[in-house]
Amino acid sequence: EDQVTQSPEALRLQEGESSSLNCSYTVSGLRGLFWYRQDPGKGPEFLFTLYSAGEEKEKERLKATLTKKESFLHITAPKPEDSATYLCAVRAHSGYSTLTFGKGTMLLVSP
Amino acid sequence: DAGITQSPRHKVTETGTPVTLRCHQTENHRYMYWYRQDPGHGLRLIHYSYGVKDTDKGEVSDGYSVSRSKTEDFLLTLESATSSQTSVYFCAISLWGQSSSYEQYFGPGTRLTVT
Repeated sequence: EDQVTQSPEALRLQEGESSSLNCSYTVSGLRGLFWYRQDPGKGPEFLFTLYSAGEEKEKERLKATLTKKESFLHITAPKPEDSATYLCAVRAHSGYSTLTFGKGTMLLVSP
Repeated sequence: DAGITQSPRHKVTETGTPVTLRCHQTENHRYMYWYRQDPGHGLRLIHYSYGVKDTDKGEVSDGYSVSRSKTEDFLLTLESATSSQTSVYFCAISLWGQSSSYEQYFGPGTRLTVT
């Protein structure tokens, strides 16, 4: 059974204080790892797809990296507008087009 | 913007009544999905569709049925709503089949309360 575990469950940062969110996964054969951002009361918004170990993707203050067992979402010098819940999901070799999601990390950035 | 709308956006219903949620997309994507999101559980797949009249079950399909008679519409039905089905429901589409991308794009959600 595919499993995705995100940590920490919640993270509070001061503006400018860099940190990382973790997504560890157990799948039969990874066919893609996805990061999403979700604001309260809204649907998840797609951020990145990573396909192979060593791959990195960047968008503004966010950088996602991938190893064979986990992915990190690095947030550099965060701003209050980066406050959101960040979701990680995987697509497995045995799956069809479906994704398995983690429970998310709630990030709060204080001014 | 993936052109996904959901209706209704909010609904309160009583236990035992049937409820149908609608997902509409404007760009003829083949793959569509229904999820529910609950505190402590994250997003869980209910049913998905890979074409007109082609559907399959997800992780939490008990108590739900779906139908897709047109490419643009994917309906989720709760035949007899229960309080445990109080949740936020999200529809999503995937570009898979039209590109090499597998990411999914989500609608705005429907908040359903069963009293």
